[in-house]
Amino acid sequence: GAVVSQHPSWVICKSGTSVKIECRSLDFQATTMFWYRQFPKQSLMLMATSNEGSKATYEQGVEKDKFLINHASLTLSTLTVTSAHPEDSSFYICSARAELMTGSSYNEQFFGPGTRLTVL
Amino acid sequence: KNQVEQSPQSLIILEGKNCTLQCNYTVSPFSNLRWYKQDTGRGPVSLTIMTFSENTKSNGRYTATLDADTKQSSLHITASQLSDSASYICVVRLGGATNKLIFGTGTLLAVQP
Repeated sequence: GAVVSQHPSWVICKSGTSVKIECRSLDFQATTMFWYRQFPKQSLMLMATSNEGSKATYEQGVEKDKFLINHASLTLSTLTVTSAHPEDSSFYICSARAELMTGSSYNEQFFGPGTRLTVL
Repeated sequence: KNQVEQSPQSLIILEGKNCTLQCNYTVSPFSNLRWYKQDTGRGPVSLTIMTFSENTKSNGRYTATLDADTKQSSLHITASQLSDSASYICVVRLGGATNKLIFGTGTLLAVQP
C-alpha cells in the first residue's frame, strides 16, 4: 500500500511551452501533497505544499505564477511549469501525506518516482 | 537554523562489506528521523523511521540508530550488494504544526564487485 505515481516519468519540451506533471496517490487519500525539485547531486528542495480544495503554499523564492499547482481531488495534484526555460530543467518529485491512514503509516510522506524535465 | 548534515559525501565499498553512514542534525522541535534510499532517477524510498524514544531500528540488512541526546543517527548496511548503490538521505521531520521535512544532502554509496 501507500503508492504514489507520477506522470510522465520524463518529458522533453521546447523553451516557452508549458508542461503538466501529475501526482497521484494510488491506494490512499491525501489532503496534502508536496512538490520538490532536485538538481544533480543535490538534495530535494521543497517548492510548494499542495492542499486539496485550497491554494498551494509556496516556499520562498518559488514563483507561484510559473509553477501552477492544482490539487483537484484527494488523490491527484498537478504541477504545471509555465513558459518553461532551460533553467527549469530538473527532476521534479511529489509526495503525498497519509493523514487519513492509521497505524505506522499515519502522517508519513510517500514519494513518487519523479519526473525528469528537460527544456531545450 | 534547522540543518541535517551527512557524512561521508560519497563512499565506495566492495560487495559483501559493511558500511556505516552518519547523520547529524540540529532540528527543533524534533518529530522523527527517517533514512531514505534514492536510486538514480527515482524517488526516495523509506528504509527506517525512528521517533525520539527509539534507539535502533532494523529493516533487513539496514540498521539505523538514533541518539537524541547528541542528535546523531547512523545507518549501517550489512553484507552490501551491488543493488545497494544509491544515494542515502537522512531526513528529520519537524514537530508541531509545520510537519516539514528537513533533508540532508545525502551520501552517495557505490558498491563495486
